[in-house]
Amino acid sequence: LAKTTQPISMDSYEGQEVNITCSHNNIATNDYITWYQQFPSQGPRFIIQGYKTKVTNEVASLFIPADRKSSTLSLPRVSLSDTAVYYCLVGEVSTGRRALTFGSGTRLQVQP
Amino acid sequence: DSGVTQTPKHLITATGQRVTLRCSPRSGDLSVYWYQQSLDQGLQFLIQYYNGEERAKGNILERFSAQQFPDLHSELNLSSLELGDSALYFCASVRDYEQYFGPGTRLTVT
Repeated sequence: LAKTTQPISMDSYEGQEVNITCSHNNIATNDYITWYQQFPSQGPRFIIQGYKTKVTNEVASLFIPADRKSSTLSLPRVSLSDTAVYYCLVGEVSTGRRALTFGSGTRLQVQP
Repeated sequence: DSGVTQTPKHLITATGQRVTLRCSPRSGDLSVYWYQQSLDQGLQFLIQYYNGEERAKGNILERFSAQQFPDLHSELNLSSLELGDSALYFCASVRDYEQYFGPGTRLTVT
């Protein structure tokens, strides 16, 4: 699986848009980019997955440039409940049938 | 609620002991994955089962073993426990392209 690099931590305030960027220079042709969210003492929760360009769902957007060497998770108008660790994963996980390799993630702290 | 259940929620035991963690995947899901998460660390993949058969192994110690039963629930057995085995242990099952994680079992070895 391609190695990913993301900031260790980020701080934001309620109502702001938060963008978390993940670098994955060695991404392979068949790799997808997936983001998970984890609250303390809970299992990770799938947020969004994409291959290229832009993907949007009810909770987030994922921006992937043409070279796919990075991706940005965008959380619109964060609230205190968005305080969590966010993991960027890259690999052939489109079917969900491979074990996931989690890095250290980005710890997002949302302040009131 | 992911639909994946794990028991017990908490487990406290002493070094050298053996424990069994249990996981029931979502109804209809055939795969079970086990992960270990030590304090403030990322998740480490341990082992995967699919319909009763071992499919992949990750960073699983020889003191650890697992199995998946005909009703698809899985058990992770940890023996000769050491202080460093204290961690959260998650299992996950698969539906479409998502892995659904259970609430985890917090193991504390004293």
